[in-house]
Amino acid sequence: NAGVTQTPKFQVLKTGQSMTLQCAQDMNHEYMSWYRQDPGMGLRLIHYSVGAGITDQGEVPNGYNVSRSTTEDFPLRLLSAAPSQTSVYFCASSRLAGIGTSSYEQYFGPGTRLTVT
Amino acid sequence: TQLLEQSPQFLSIQEGENLTVYCNSSSVFSSLQWYRQEPGEGPVLLVTVVTGGEVKKLKRLTFQFGDARKDSSLHITAAQPGDTGLYLCAGARYGGATNKLIFGTGTLLAVQP
Repeated sequence: NAGVTQTPKFQVLKTGQSMTLQCAQDMNHEYMSWYRQDPGMGLRLIHYSVGAGITDQGEVPNGYNVSRSTTEDFPLRLLSAAPSQTSVYFCASSRLAGIGTSSYEQYFGPGTRLTVT
Repeated sequence: TQLLEQSPQFLSIQEGENLTVYCNSSSVFSSLQWYRQEPGEGPVLLVTVVTGGEVKKLKRLTFQFGDARKDSSLHITAAQPGDTGLYLCAGARYGGATNKLIFGTGTLLAVQP
């Protein structure tokens, strides 16, 4: 299993450009999420999906779009890049922590380091 | 609003020392997880604790969930350079989607040989 894969690993954009961050998982997890990680801010949830065709907003959704057409793929689109979107982006897929629990454990990809100038 | 506060933020110790990292909140969580993140990589799950007062051990790492389910601690015995990394706690809140975790700001640990 490759787990969770993300491409590209590094990206530099100019203000106003758009791009798509790719995320794929081969663990057949229903839940997938996108986070951004900034110094001193921890990981913040951007968007998440509970299954193909279903997405919802997280804590910081503005400026980002997502779609989930298959269980495996969950791309994140930046509509018009801004310097405030300079960050490290992580995709994660989730599974239940165990029988009898409602907690989900996250499996993260290696991240995409995005710089917007 | 940061619901999960971790302390200390930074910790630099010598190999062989013991240490404890704390994760505190005024909110109650249905479960709490600990992750370790190495430079240039994504966080990796270490443990999930779901019962108030629960203690779990993973080799030299001991995790405890507070009785009131508002806090957690991670204790490392005889730290090794391989323990170096960013330690993150993450809580799942009652009443919300359990897939939506609240992450702490992290504790950056450096273990010097």
